[in-house]
Amino acid sequence: GAGVSQTPSNKVTEKGKYVELRCDPISGHTALYWYRQSLGQGPEFLIYFQGTGAADDSGLPNDRFFAVRPEGSVSTLKIQRTERGDSAVYLCASSEGVGRAYNEQFFGPGTRLTVL
Amino acid sequence: AQSVTQLGSHVSVSEGALVLLRCNYSSSVPPYLFWYVQYPNQGLQLLLKYTTGATLVKGINGFEAEFKKSETSFHLTKPSAHMSDAAEYFCAGFLTGGGNKLTFGTGTQLKVEL
Repeated sequence: GAGVSQTPSNKVTEKGKYVELRCDPISGHTALYWYRQSLGQGPEFLIYFQGTGAADDSGLPNDRFFAVRPEGSVSTLKIQRTERGDSAVYLCASSEGVGRAYNEQFFGPGTRLTVL
Repeated sequence: AQSVTQLGSHVSVSEGALVLLRCNYSSSVPPYLFWYVQYPNQGLQLLLKYTTGATLVKGINGFEAEFKKSETSFHLTKPSAHMSDAAEYFCAGFLTGGGNKLTFGTGTQLKVEL
């Protein structure tokens, strides 16, 4: 049973470029979450999916950030026109479902994004 | 606003000494609370969780935490530190109105010295 995997592990890009970060959740997990961890901070919620739909995207900082999960499994976080302030570790997590009794979140190793 | 606060961004203990990492929460109803550990270049690993029932919860690697509603606290302890405990520790919770998103504290870096 593989855990949550994220690719790439590291991404260096230039200001203004477009990037995609991928997350493969644990097989069978219906809920998927994205968090962003800036240096010296705890992770901050970005968006979560239940199945294919974004159930809560209130943490996305602006419209340059977008995420999809077209088949209810793999998710891609997309960032347009990257800015230096987007540099952070982007964490993905998955859980069996929603509702507090089942909502233990399992985290991937993260993608470290550096915007030059 | 609902929040999780960790006191002390860095804690240093001697090997074999007591570990105490502090966490307080702000929530209008008792939240579900978690402690995660993060080793360098790795993802977050769940140490323990409090949902309902027993307020003293035991986790992996000898860690435990006690939920104290009167003090709005969920401090993490371990009787005897080991070198392998050196890592960053995050307290997190499902807070009132937070839905399914975890709210994290800013983390505490634990250093264990010989």
